[in-house]
Amino acid sequence: QLQLQESGPGLVKPSETLSLTCTVSGGSISSSSYYWGWIRQPPGKGLEWIGSIHYSGSTYFNPSLKSRVTISVDTSKNQFSLKLSSVTTADTAIYYCARTRENMVATITYFDYWGQGTLVTVSS
Amino acid sequence: SSELTQDPAVSVALGQTVRITCQGDSVRSYYASWYQQKSGQAPVLVIYGKNDRPSGIPDRFSGSSSGNTASLTITGAQAEDEADYYCNSRDNSGNHWVFGGGTKLTVL
Repeated sequence: QLQLQESGPGLVKPSETLSLTCTVSGGSISSSSYYWGWIRQPPGKGLEWIGSIHYSGSTYFNPSLKSRVTISVDTSKNQFSLKLSSVTTADTAIYYCARTRENMVATITYFDYWGQGTLVTVSS
Repeated sequence: SSELTQDPAVSVALGQTVRITCQGDSVRSYYASWYQQKSGQAPVLVIYGKNDRPSGIPDRFSGSSSGNTASLTITGAQAEDEADYYCNSRDNSGNHWVFGGGTKLTVL
């Protein structure tokens, strides 16, 4: 059974960089069939896709966050990571990592495995 | 980029059928997926593709799509189905993913 687990600081100061890692177990991150993504959810609000990465290094980012987001993959550790720079209180949220699966022509796409989520609070 | 629009809240009587909708241009090109999120828990995939359910998802959950509207139908809603439901698809550019704003389902 595939499992994803987020890890990283739960408290980040304004203007600093938020850094999270997602460790994948029970399967390889190095599969051409999947993307690996980050999604966040501010308290009491809806889900927001942040960005996704393929093990080959191809990345896609939410246009509203693109200038502040870096996503990388470490196949040797079966991990992928998120960095969000210049954070403000608006970045306070539960951050989820998830696996994205899709068909060959990408008309069918879905997040089939999710981590439990980690709360990151931006506060001085 | 494109948006996916959902009704903020829907209610259904226990045992009855409810449809939750998701409107957006990208749904014409990409199948929507649907996620159930109960309070304090991570989202769970319930429907993907034309009308596929992951293992363990009851068959009372079904999906459909027509034009720019994707729908999640729960036939014979149960108390445990009370949750927030989100749709998702790629956007029109095909380079991004987008979530709907979510629908809070209340089972009366």
